[in-house]
Amino acid sequence: GAGVSQSPRYKVAKRGQDVALRCDPISGHVSLFWYQQALGQGPEFLTYFQNEAQLDKSGLPSDRFFAERPEGSVSTLKIQRTQQEDSAVYLCASSLREGLNNEQFFGPGTRLTVL
Amino acid sequence: DAKTTQPPSMDCAEGRAANLPCNHSTISGNEYVYWYRQIHSQGPQYIIHGLKNNETNEMASLIITEDRKSSTLILPHATLRDTAVYYCIVRADNYGQNFVFGPGTRLSVLP
Repeated sequence: GAGVSQSPRYKVAKRGQDVALRCDPISGHVSLFWYQQALGQGPEFLTYFQNEAQLDKSGLPSDRFFAERPEGSVSTLKIQRTQQEDSAVYLCASSLREGLNNEQFFGPGTRLTVL
Repeated sequence: DAKTTQPPSMDCAEGRAANLPCNHSTISGNEYVYWYRQIHSQGPQYIIHGLKNNETNEMASLIITEDRKSSTLILPHATLRDTAVYYCIVRADNYGQNFVFGPGTRLSVLP
């Protein structure tokens, strides 16, 4: 079956532009996570959804970052007025449910480069 | 901050077992040990996880010490395709718990 997909795979933006990154989780997965991965580092948590509810956004680095999942499936991460420090790979992960023995399935990521 | 400590890099000869160590001395009773790996330009891939018993699946074996303060991921017959960054993560299976990744171990499998 299909895994987690993300689009676009690569995005180049000029400083100050707004960008929108899309995540299609595995069908039926309740939980959805966004991570940011800088070059040479491990992924860092940004935000978490259970269905359409955003239950944790403690990792979002500034109010320029906004995420939504209006129908509890596809999610969009939006970054307003992009800065060079926003350049990173943005990873989306989904899991079937929360509780015991739940692995997260990661998408391939979107590589954002801000010039 | 990550709750685990891993060596930054390791080499392994193709066909030999790769043993990747991880220290998690502050692990709590309800925290599991998870292993993921990330091949270049891909998202992290789940390998295995365990609580206190040793675990084995088609990819690897996980050996957890009795005091649970450290563990070892074993790839029994490493291939060139196992070259990747390997992340050891401790995580409680609580509601909405995200993974906290450290820098991981960069494993290079050499021909």
